[in-house]
Amino acid sequence: AQSVTQLGSHVSVSEGALVLLRCNYSSSVPPYLFWYVQYPNQGLQLLLKYTSAATLVKGINGFEAEFKKSETSFHLTKPSAHMSDAAEYFCAVSNNQGGKLIFGQGTELSVKP
Amino acid sequence: NAGVTQTPKFQVLKTGQSMTLQCAQDMNHNSMYWYRQDPGMGLRLIYYSASEGTTDKGEVPNGYNVSRLNKREFSLRLESAAPSQTSVYFCASSALTRRYYRDSYNEQFFGPGTRLTVL
Repeated sequence: AQSVTQLGSHVSVSEGALVLLRCNYSSSVPPYLFWYVQYPNQGLQLLLKYTSAATLVKGINGFEAEFKKSETSFHLTKPSAHMSDAAEYFCAVSNNQGGKLIFGQGTELSVKP
Repeated sequence: NAGVTQTPKFQVLKTGQSMTLQCAQDMNHNSMYWYRQDPGMGLRLIYYSASEGTTDKGEVPNGYNVSRLNKREFSLRLESAAPSQTSVYFCASSALTRRYYRDSYNEQFFGPGTRLTVL
């Protein structure tokens, strides 16, 4: 069975500081991994995805994530936080059955001025 | 392209009432999904349809039914609403493709959600 654990339900950073959102996965097969962002009262939007090509994946809005098989991790980073980054972030792993995604519980990112 | 659309955006029901949430996509995707989102629990899959004419249960199917009306539309029905079904419901779609020996697919595209309250 596949699962995703996001460490920290809430992360707060200052504007301009490094953003690090943690995600660990469990999978019996090589996984596909995703990060989604949800702005208030909106649906989910894809930030980036890992599909077994490069281990360092670049996404939209300056975010990137690195796939580390030895650590079963796929942490999301951004060098410098912006106020507009305040949102909820979800990590997800693929399930080979019909393309289903297994989501983590989410991490709410707050950015202080 | 509108992407994934959902109706209604908001709904208030009384316990025992029924309703259908509508979802449509215009991206010619094969697969469609219904999720519910509750605080601290992420998104949980209710039902999905890997292709037109097929539907399967997800993680939390009890109290729900679905219909894949055609390739574009995938509806979710609550036959007898309960307060535990108060949630935000999201529909999603993806272009499921097959590569080599295992399924491969593009990302899922999400609708804006339906906020449902059951009193």
